[in-house]
Amino acid sequence: GQSLEQPSEVTAVEGAIVQINCTYQTSGFYGLSWYQQHDGGAPTFLSYNALDGLEETGRFSSFLSRSDSYGYLLLQELQMKDSASYFCALSGSARQLTFGSGTQLTVLP
Amino acid sequence: DAGVIQSPRHEVTEMGQEVTLRCKPISGHDYLFWYRQTMMRGLELLIYFNNNVPIDDSGMPEDRFSAKMPNASFSTLKIQPSEPRDSAVYFCASSFRTALQETQYFGPGTRLLVL
Repeated sequence: GQSLEQPSEVTAVEGAIVQINCTYQTSGFYGLSWYQQHDGGAPTFLSYNALDGLEETGRFSSFLSRSDSYGYLLLQELQMKDSASYFCALSGSARQLTFGSGTQLTVLP
Repeated sequence: DAGVIQSPRHEVTEMGQEVTLRCKPISGHDYLFWYRQTMMRGLELLIYFNNNVPIDDSGMPEDRFSAKMPNASFSTLKIQPSEPRDSAVYFCASSFRTALQETQYFGPGTRLLVL
C-alpha cells in the first residue's frame, strides 16, 4: 500500500515563509501533488512534481526527491488567506490520488 | 465552465434509508473520482471511472456502496442502507489526463449526516 506523513499543524506569521514536509512510502507512483482546502471547502490543486526538483508557481513552490521519498511545499510571502489545510498526495497510474492526513496552516497577523 | 457540480449539497437521513449522491463532471473530462472525507480517515478514494467505465472500486467500503456512470455527464454514488458511520463529506472530482495536466477538479461536496 501507500502511506504519506505530514505534520498536523504549522503556524507562521504574515509575510513569512513556511515549508510543509511530506514523506511517503510506496512501491511506485507517477508524481506528488499538493492540494489546499479551506474550512468547509473543496480541495483545490496547487502544484505537481513528476520529476525530482523544484516546481514554482507564483508564491508556491513544491519539491520532490524520489531517492529520499520526500517532498515539500514552500509558501512565500504568507497571507492571512493562506490559512487552510494542505495535503500532499501520491498520484497513481490513472492519476488517482492517495492523500496524506493534511497539515493545518495558521497564519498569524 | 461551471466546474464539477454535486447534489445535494447537504443530506440528512435516518439509518437504513437509501442515499443517492449525484455528480456532473466538467465537460470533456475523461476521469471521474469519488472521495470521502472524515476526521478519522481523512480523504480517501472510493472509486474512479475512465470514459464512464469503473476502473478501481477497491476503496468502496462495503457492498452497501455502489456507483454508476451511465454517461459522460453524470455519475451517482448510492448507499443502501445507510448507517451513521457513513456520515462524511463526499467529493466528486474530474480530470482530463494528459502528459502535463495533473489537476483534479473537485466539486463542492455533499455533506451527509446519517442519524
